[in-house]
Amino acid sequence: GDSVTQMEGPVTLSEEAFLTINCTYTATGYPSLFWYVQYPGEGLQLLLKATKADDKGSNKGFEATYRKETTSFHLEKGSVQVSDSAVYFCALSDRNGGSQGNLIFGKGTKLSVKP
Amino acid sequence: ETGVTQTPRHLVMGMTNKKSLKCEQHLGHNAMYWYKQSAKKPLELMFVYSLEERVENNSVPSRFSPECPNSSHLFLHLHTLQPEDSALYLCASSKLEGDNSYEQYFGPGTRLTVT
Repeated sequence: GDSVTQMEGPVTLSEEAFLTINCTYTATGYPSLFWYVQYPGEGLQLLLKATKADDKGSNKGFEATYRKETTSFHLEKGSVQVSDSAVYFCALSDRNGGSQGNLIFGKGTKLSVKP
Repeated sequence: ETGVTQTPRHLVMGMTNKKSLKCEQHLGHNAMYWYKQSAKKPLELMFVYSLEERVENNSVPSRFSPECPNSSHLFLHLHTLQPEDSALYLCASSKLEGDNSYEQYFGPGTRLTVT
């Protein structure tokens, strides 16, 4: 079945450091890929998405490129801020096969940014 | 503001109580979802409603009973819960049609504590 694997956390960085959170997936169809962010005490917010190979999703300085050849969707940000401290989830949605739009989530990566 | 609201935000209940969680979406979506998020466990999909019809029930105990009276409202009725049911319960909605990427929009969650 479809699955998402993302790097284990927690990740601790200093402010203005470069961030990469790795995400790889397995899917039988043509999935859409997402990054969600969960700030403390809140629900999940859609951060960015990509719907086909070579698409780049971007938002709030974060970027991720849909790489079909490596089945990856790594999240990057050039300069993190303390306010980026949160848990980040990689997810896929396989629009084929009557999946009812179910999302398959990774386990989440907790990011802590120190001043 | 994600367009998905949940009430109450916090709930403490005894094991013999009956309570209900409410979710409302203002996005014109046609699918709604209940998730359970526990500490140290991945997000668990509980129920899926598409066009007000339950299409998925992931082996959830019968002490959880969902209800979807229309496409904008989703309830989770709770009775005789166990302490291990304490968790953050998240509602989400999505628009399932055509080439839509099927991203889900989440509410802020209800933090449930069973005593």
